[in-house]
Amino acid sequence: NAGVMQNPRHLVRRRGQEARLRCSPMKGHSHVYWYRQLPEEGLKFMVYLQKENIIDESGMPKERFSAEFPKEGPSILRIQQVVRGDSAAYFCASSPQRSNQPQHFGDGTRLSIL
Amino acid sequence: AQTVTQSQPEMSVQEAETVTLSCTYDTSESNYYLFWYKQPPSRQMILVIRQEAYKQQNATENRFSVNFQKAAKSFSLKISDSQLGDTAMYFCAFMNSSGATNKLIFGTGTLLAVQP
Repeated sequence: NAGVMQNPRHLVRRRGQEARLRCSPMKGHSHVYWYRQLPEEGLKFMVYLQKENIIDESGMPKERFSAEFPKEGPSILRIQQVVRGDSAAYFCASSPQRSNQPQHFGDGTRLSIL
Repeated sequence: AQTVTQSQPEMSVQEAETVTLSCTYDTSESNYYLFWYKQPPSRQMILVIRQEAYKQQNATENRFSVNFQKAAKSFSLKISDSQLGDTAMYFCAFMNSSGATNKLIFGTGTLLAVQP
């Protein structure tokens, strides 16, 4: 029973490039959350999605960041024109429905900006 | 807005001893959940224990237990018989169960080192 799968595990980009982070939720889970962990800090909520819908993006920067969760395929967090401050670990979590079941986390994607 | 505070940036405990990690939170909600997550050096996020606010009984999971004081808005984690594998960053988290989303609000973490 595969858990939440994130890829790549590590991603290196130069300033100004685009970064695409992928997340496949656990089987049977239709809710996806993205969190960002800056160095030496806790996780901060970015966005919550269901299939084809963004439910809450209150934690996501207004510019350069976008997220989607299409009907088919993984959820994608996209960062355009990356800057050094985007260097962080990005975690995806999933849950079976908008329930009170704990969220299951992926192993994260470590994004490094040169 | 809800906040979660972990006032102990680092703690150390001897193997086989007991340690308690502190967490306080602030909310005006009455229905919510509290969690402790563990992040070992591998940096995975692993759920340790979960508490429903409407339950008075403290949650336990093997060597891990919580002391949930709802009136004081306190949610501490006790680790008994500490093991070397318990060395990790521990995050306390809050989730409003009646909100539009189930987003988790995390504290800044406590780095626990278990000494041999």
